[in-house]
Amino acid sequence: DAGVTQSPTHLIKTRGQQVTLRCSPKSGHDTVSWYQQALGQGPQFIFQYYEEEERQRGNFPDRFSGHQFPNYSSELNVNALLLGDSALYLCASSLDRGPEKLFFGSGTQLSVL
Amino acid sequence: GENVEQHPSTLSVQEGDSAVIKCTYSDSASNYFPWYKQELGKRPQLIIDIRSNVGEKKDQRIAVTLNKTAKHFSLHITETQPEDSAVYFCAAHGGSSNTGKLIFGQGTTLQVKP
Repeated sequence: DAGVTQSPTHLIKTRGQQVTLRCSPKSGHDTVSWYQQALGQGPQFIFQYYEEEERQRGNFPDRFSGHQFPNYSSELNVNALLLGDSALYLCASSLDRGPEKLFFGSGTQLSVL
Repeated sequence: GENVEQHPSTLSVQEGDSAVIKCTYSDSASNYFPWYKQELGKRPQLIIDIRSNVGEKKDQRIAVTLNKTAKHFSLHITETQPEDSAVYFCAAHGGSSNTGKLIFGQGTTLQVKP
């Protein structure tokens, strides 16, 4: 049983560029949430996708957008990258939108130069 | 706004001793409190969780206590082992029902000295 998988594992971009991160949820899960984890900090909620719609959003600008596909996989897009966007981006999956038993992927380490 | 405070930021104990990490939350509507362990370069892993209708929960050497009145919850690790060394995060459910938002604390780096 595959857990949450994310790609790529590492990414280097320059300011102003755009990036797309991908996530496949744990088998049987239908909800995907994205978190940003800056170095030495706890994860911060970006948004959650359920039934292919953004159901809840954290305090992140519109440069951050996402999508969920019919197979429950998800993408996180960030436009007009800033240096401050450098962080570990974690995808987490769960069942039925609830926070219980949230399973995290290993993350994508994004560096913006 | 929603906030979770976690203390201490670092904790060093001798192998076999107990470790306690404390968190407070601000949203009185929060009803679910998980704890995650994150080893260096790895994903956060759920180690124990508690719902607001329970005051204490144990799983082998790990226990969590919750005081809803004080909006305070704690992680207790007994008989610590070197493999317990990691960063531990507490979290609180973001309030409203049917949402998956977790508010995380800042993390506690636990070092268990052999």
